[in-house]
Amino acid sequence: DVVMTQTPPSLSVAIGQSVSISCKSSQSLVYSDGKTYLHWLLQSPGRSPKRLIYQVSNLGSGVPDRFSGTGSQKDFTLKISRVEAEDLGVYYCAQTTHFPLTFGSGTKLEIK
Amino acid sequence: EVQLVESGGGLVQPGRSLKLSCAASGFTFSNYYMAWVRQAPKKGLEWVATISTSGSRTYYPDSVKGRFTISRDNAKSSLYLQMNSLKSEDTATYYCARDDYWGQGVMVTVSS
Repeated sequence: DVVMTQTPPSLSVAIGQSVSISCKSSQSLVYSDGKTYLHWLLQSPGRSPKRLIYQVSNLGSGVPDRFSGTGSQKDFTLKISRVEAEDLGVYYCAQTTHFPLTFGSGTKLEIK
Repeated sequence: EVQLVESGGGLVQPGRSLKLSCAASGFTFSNYYMAWVRQAPKKGLEWVATISTSGSRTYYPDSVKGRFTISRDNAKSSLYLQMNSLKSEDTATYYCARDDYWGQGVMVTVSS
């Protein structure tokens, strides 16, 4: 199984600051079609997860461009520029390249 | 507007069965792979099952293989999860998910 290692486990940031979350996979996430199926999700308190970014760097529908994703092969980063209060919650990376599909353990973002 | 509405959760004894349903609307259901993902209380996300557009292909992690069955009825825009031989470790909120949308979740508690 592909292990997704996400760091840090938690972050505390002031409004307006920028943060980065790392996600490393135990295997390359490049599929046979050449695409990389690494995604980022946000679970706001009491809510179901919402997809923020798909295939490393593509913004989901309605997601503000303060969010950005980079990376390749086994090493990926989610960056949030100019954090807003609504950004608090738990961020997960997820891979859908290999079965079984797997998720990172989550990064809890708190607002100072 | 895309909507995924789960139902069928509840309290069930170990070893018994339960069937979850997910009613989809706002999109052409038959065009999408669908999945179930669960989240144990205060824990992270765990993939449970995926089904192809026609239903001819299904995928499971080892933790539920042989006990859970995912199915769909494209005429009814509905997704199902038949869960047999339930264990206490199956206690979780179960989410119906498209690649970019998640339902609100339904709670399943396995306890005597």
